[in-house]
Amino acid sequence: AQSVSQHNHHVILSEAASLELGCNYSYGGTVNLFWYVQYPGQHLQLLLKYFSGDPLVKGIKGFEAEFIKSKFSFNLRKPSVQWSDTAEYFCAVNPYTGGFKTIFGAGTRLFVKA
Amino acid sequence: NAGVTQTPKFRVLKTGQSMTLLCAQDMNHEYMYWYRQDPGMGLRLIHYSVGEGTTAKGEVPDGYNVSRLKKQNFLLGLESAAPSQTSVYFCASSYVVGGANVLTFGAGSRLTVL
Repeated sequence: AQSVSQHNHHVILSEAASLELGCNYSYGGTVNLFWYVQYPGQHLQLLLKYFSGDPLVKGIKGFEAEFIKSKFSFNLRKPSVQWSDTAEYFCAVNPYTGGFKTIFGAGTRLFVKA
Repeated sequence: NAGVTQTPKFRVLKTGQSMTLLCAQDMNHEYMYWYRQDPGMGLRLIHYSVGEGTTAKGEVPDGYNVSRLKKQNFLLGLESAAPSQTSVYFCASSYVVGGANVLTFGAGSRLTVL
């Protein structure tokens, strides 16, 4: 079955630590990839997206993600996290053949200690 | 712009009762979606619509019905609520950029079925 896997369900970091959240998908064809974020008490919002071109994409608040086609991965990174990055992060895949459906991973809860 | 508006924000039902969640968007988006969010399971697609008068099943459609009589509205119905339908429901609408969706989410509707 087609799926999106996020490696960590919970991550706890101290401020200024580096962050990498893993995401793998199982679709074989062309895909568009996203990271969405849900801050406490808020609704989901787009963090960054990959459509084509440079596999290293930059998003808001200093986040970036790298698309590695051979590994079916789209990992999210940030060199130095802040307390305000505490949130739940969702990787999502929109297959070109998916009929405009977007499939989400289970999410990773990040808690940043001040 | 209001974006995507969901009503109600909270609802408590007894098993067997029915209810309808309303989603309205003012961005003239063609595509609309209903997801449910459960702890550890991320967002799962219930139903979606690619245009006025059309609907399609997502990953977890059982127990739900939808209607898209007007382009701006997407209704999610529960005919006979069950405790397993206790969840947070998110509506989203999307536009297509480069062949892919960018989702805009509502604030969510928290449903408890006793």
